Amino acid sequence: AQSVTQLGSHVSVSEGALVLLRCNYSSSVPPYLFWYVQYPNQGLQLLLKYTSAATLVKGINGFEAEFKKSETSFHLTKPSAHMSDAAEYFCAARSAGNKLTFGGGTRVLVKP
Amino acid sequence: DADVTQTPRNRITKTGKRIMLECSQTKGHDRMYWYRQDPGLGLRLIYYSFDVKDINKGEISDGYSVSRQAQAKFSLSLESAIPNQTALYFCATSDPREPTDTQYFGPGTRLTVL
Repeated sequence: AQSVTQLGSHVSVSEGALVLLRCNYSSSVPPYLFWYVQYPNQGLQLLLKYTSAATLVKGINGFEAEFKKSETSFHLTKPSAHMSDAAEYFCAARSAGNKLTFGGGTRVLVKP
Repeated sequence: DADVTQTPRNRITKTGKRIMLECSQTKGHDRMYWYRQDPGLGLRLIYYSFDVKDINKGEISDGYSVSRQAQAKFSLSLESAIPNQTALYFCATSDPREPTDTQYFGPGTRLTVL
């Protein structure tokens, strides 16, 4: 069965610093991969998705993620954190039947 | 207006009560899903429906049931609520005609079972 691991349940970054959120998936066949963001008291919003068209995927709000098959990873980055980036981020992998398997989530705290 | 709506947004109930959570969508998507979110566990799939006549169990369906009343409506029921069903519940929709069949989420329902 597919599994998705997000390293670090909490990440603290300073405003203006690099944001790096790690995601690894278990499938031997690269699945479709997604990053979602959840702002406080809101639902999940799609940040970006990997569709095999390109290994570097650009999303909304300045985020991007790089697919690395050799490392079975899909890490999310943003060069310069803003206070508005404080949220919880979820990595998800799609398997057969369009079932999404989610990682445990990483909560990002941005310090002024 | 939001494409995927959920009612109620918050609900407090007591053990043993029957609860229904409702989801409606205006996206015209055939596929609908119910998830629950627990801290540290991400979202887990409860039930999903690929069309009005199709209902499938997800990984944690015990204690839950669903009804797909129309393409736009998908309800989740807890027949006899218990405290460990306290969680944040999300509905999602997707369109299989879209290449990645991306799922789009509602705002969530926070359910507390006392």
